[in-house]
Amino acid sequence: AQTVTQSQPEMSVQEAETVTLSCTYDTSENNYYLFWYKQPPSRQMILVIRQEAYKQQNATENRFSVNFQKAAKSFSLKISDSQLGDTAMYFCAFMKPYGSQGNLIFGKGTKLSVKP
Amino acid sequence: GAVVSQHPSRVICKSGTSVKIECRSLDFQATTMFWYRQFPKQSLMLMATSNEGSKATYEQGVEKDKFLINHASLTLSTLTVTSAHPEDSSFYICSARVAGVDYGYTFGSGTRLTVV
Repeated sequence: AQTVTQSQPEMSVQEAETVTLSCTYDTSENNYYLFWYKQPPSRQMILVIRQEAYKQQNATENRFSVNFQKAAKSFSLKISDSQLGDTAMYFCAFMKPYGSQGNLIFGKGTKLSVKP
Repeated sequence: GAVVSQHPSRVICKSGTSVKIECRSLDFQATTMFWYRQFPKQSLMLMATSNEGSKATYEQGVEKDKFLINHASLTLSTLTVTSAHPEDSSFYICSARVAGVDYGYTFGSGTRLTVV
């Protein structure tokens, strides 16, 4: 069974600085997808970034980027130029390829607080 | 983009009554719907997976008779909490897979259920 581990329950960062959230996972699959979701106080789940395991290039979305280390089964999220609106719970998630069971498996989350 | 409308956003019910939560896909066909439960300050735990026109698949430990899932059409899935008890109080979130996209998920805005 797949597992996702986020070892940082809480983190804080000053506005405009950079923060990295850690995520490791365990799987015997070779093809899969990894995601970072943001859950602000509204509780709406928002996709931040996704990575296909077969792609070596790290995904980037504006201020958000990942460091995907497939051999180490590590998938960290870097937030640059942190903004107050980045304050939220961040969940790392794993998914088997389409056509498989298909549900997202979430880590326990990291609560990020951006301080002015 | 693909939107899932989830209602109600909040509901308070008396112990012993039933509550129905609806998730509608507004601009796409949701062949698969996932139902998650989230306790305060915790991650999302998959409860069940429903496919249109077939019986839902429940995760281990989830009572099928208590959490009734119906996915009768490609745009509507419902979760009914039957004979609700205070321990059923939680945040429930649906998520639909967007057909044709192998990593496309969209989430409802969630329902906060309080059983008194």
